[in-house]
Amino acid sequence: SQQGEEDPQALSIQEGENATMNCSYKTSINNLQWYRQNSGRGLVHLILIRSNEREKHSGRLRVTLDTSKKSSSLLITASRAADTASYFCATDAGWGSYKLIFGSGTRLLVRP
Amino acid sequence: DAGITQSPRYKITETGRQVTLMCHQTWSHSYMFWYRQDLGHGLRLIYYSAAADITDKGEVPDGYVVSRSKTENFPLTLESATRSQTSVYFCASSVLRQGRTGELFFGEGSRLTVL
Repeated sequence: SQQGEEDPQALSIQEGENATMNCSYKTSINNLQWYRQNSGRGLVHLILIRSNEREKHSGRLRVTLDTSKKSSSLLITASRAADTASYFCATDAGWGSYKLIFGSGTRLLVRP
Repeated sequence: DAGITQSPRYKITETGRQVTLMCHQTWSHSYMFWYRQDLGHGLRLIYYSAAADITDKGEVPDGYVVSRSKTENFPLTLESATRSQTSVYFCASSVLRQGRTGELFFGEGSRLTVL
């Protein structure tokens, strides 16, 4: 399996602090994606980073990718209570592959 | 409304019964996926499809059957439900962009309980 694994499994921070979540995967990829899931809802796409990119920003989100270490991190800056959710990384299986394999996720709690 | 819809949202059934979960998308996306989500396992891929009449197994296909006669529909059937298939099932759709997997758009999920 090329499933990504997120670390930590759970994270509790105070509003205004930064939250960092990590993802490791096993095989070569074309791109890595991060998703968010609010309790009881479907997943929502946050950001996609290609294998030839090292860093990408979207609003308060910063994603890095280190293909040599097969790892990625998601940083949420200045967190808000509304950021409370589970966050998942997902990886493909290389060029031409269209299946996406998800990790087990990080549960983030942002305390007001 | 445009989007991806799953039905039913909640289903309770008994062991041994056949159950079909429906998934419909209005974007004409070529690619569709079925995942199951269980505590401690994250999302696991059951089946996926590149186009009408093209399907392939994912990580956990045993006990499930899919079909895709039309681009917009991708039903998932549990031929003989077991308690271990109690889960939340998510359907998703996507397009490939230059040979690379694009973002997935998820439905709201179907919560299935097998007694």
